[in-house]
Parts: sequence; C-alpha cells; structure tokens
Amino acid sequence: GEDVEQSLFLSVREGDSSVINCTYTDSSSTYLYWYKQEPGAGLQLLTYIFSNMDMKQDQRLTVLLNKKDKHLSLRIADTQTGDSAIYFCAESNSGGYQKVTFGIGTKLQVIP
Amino acid sequence: EAGVTQSPTHLIKTRGQQATLRCSPISGHTSVYWYQQALGLGLQFLLWYDEGEERNRGNFPPRFSGRQFPNYSSELNVNALELEDSALYLCASSSNLDPGNTIYFGEGSWLTVV
Repeated sequence: GEDVEQSLFLSVREGDSSVINCTYTDSSSTYLYWYKQEPGAGLQLLTYIFSNMDMKQDQRLTVLLNKKDKHLSLRIADTQTGDSAIYFCAESNSGGYQKVTFGIGTKLQVIP
Repeated sequence: EAGVTQSPTHLIKTRGQQATLRCSPISGHTSVYWYQQALGLGLQFLLWYDEGEERNRGNFPPRFSGRQFPNYSSELNVNALELEDSALYLCASSSNLDPGNTIYFGEGSWLTVV
C-alpha cells in the first residue's frame, strides 16, 4: 500500500533555512501536499504540487519534487519562530477515488 | 467563506459509551473525510464519504462508523469507546472541481475517554 515517510524532528535557528524531507512509495501519486499543524489546531494547507512539476515557489516556501526518487522537500527561507509547528507531507492518487495518505509529521523547532 | 467546522470542540466520555462527532464541509464540497490523530501515531485515515455514500474506509473496527447527510455534512460515531480511542478527530472536505483535489481540514474534535 501507499506509504509516506518523514523524519520526526528538525531544529533550526531563527533566520536560517529549514528543509523538511519526505519520501513516498506510490509511483502513481498525482498530487503531493504540505500541511502545517500548530499546537492544538487542525491542519492548514501550505502548498501542493502536481507530480508533473519539479518545483514550486510561494514566498518563503519552496517545494522540490524528485519523482524518480519519490522524494519531496519543503524549504522554508528565513525561518521564524512562528514557523514552529508540525509539518505533514501527504500524497494522493486520484485514480478513481480520493484518499490522501499522510506522513507522521516533522516537528520543526525554531530556536530564537 | 466558512471553512470546515467541527463540533464539539472537546468531548469527554467514559469507557463503553458512544461518541458522536459532527462536521460541516466547506460550502460546495461534496467529499468529507475523517482522520484520527492519536498521540504519537500521526494521521490515520478513518472514512471517506462522497455524495452521501461511503467510498473508502481505513483499517478501523466496525464500531467506528459514520454517515453523510444530503447537505453533505457528516457524523462520525464511535461505539463501545475504549481508552485508546482518545485522540483528535479531524474532519476534512474537498471538491471534485478543485484542480488540486486539495482537502481542507477543520480544527478537530478532541475526544477523551476515561
């Protein structure tokens, strides 16, 4: 079945760049997403990328997709303390039905 | 435009009781998803409803059930509650008209079983 893997924890200093990595197994993944979850809250969609794209940039966020290696990354430039949260990688294969598979989430700690 | 709304925000039940959680999708969205987020276990897919029908189900026992109403709102029922059912239950919705097939989450309902 589908599987999405992420490292559990990342710590960076304020102002540095953060890179959160994710690997997935489903070669027919069509859409790949990054969500952010702040403490006690639901998941907020940050960005998504189609599988036919290599890169997507949105202000401080850059998503890189290596489809050959099934590797997705999220880079946050100039990381701020407000970026401290859990970041979830997710993929979906819309072939006939919609089920989104999530990784376990990477906890990003930003040190002032 | 209102996002996905869930109720109640918090719910405390005793073991063996039943819990009912409710969700209203974003207006125009026909698909509703339920996820369980237990401590340390990430997001576990529970159920997917679309156009009033159950389309897919995660690896959960039958005491987890739900339904989708004609207005596309949804209910999640958990019978015979067990202590390990304590978790954040997240509802999400999506629209087939969205090119990204993106799902949008509510703030969740915290269920505590004592």
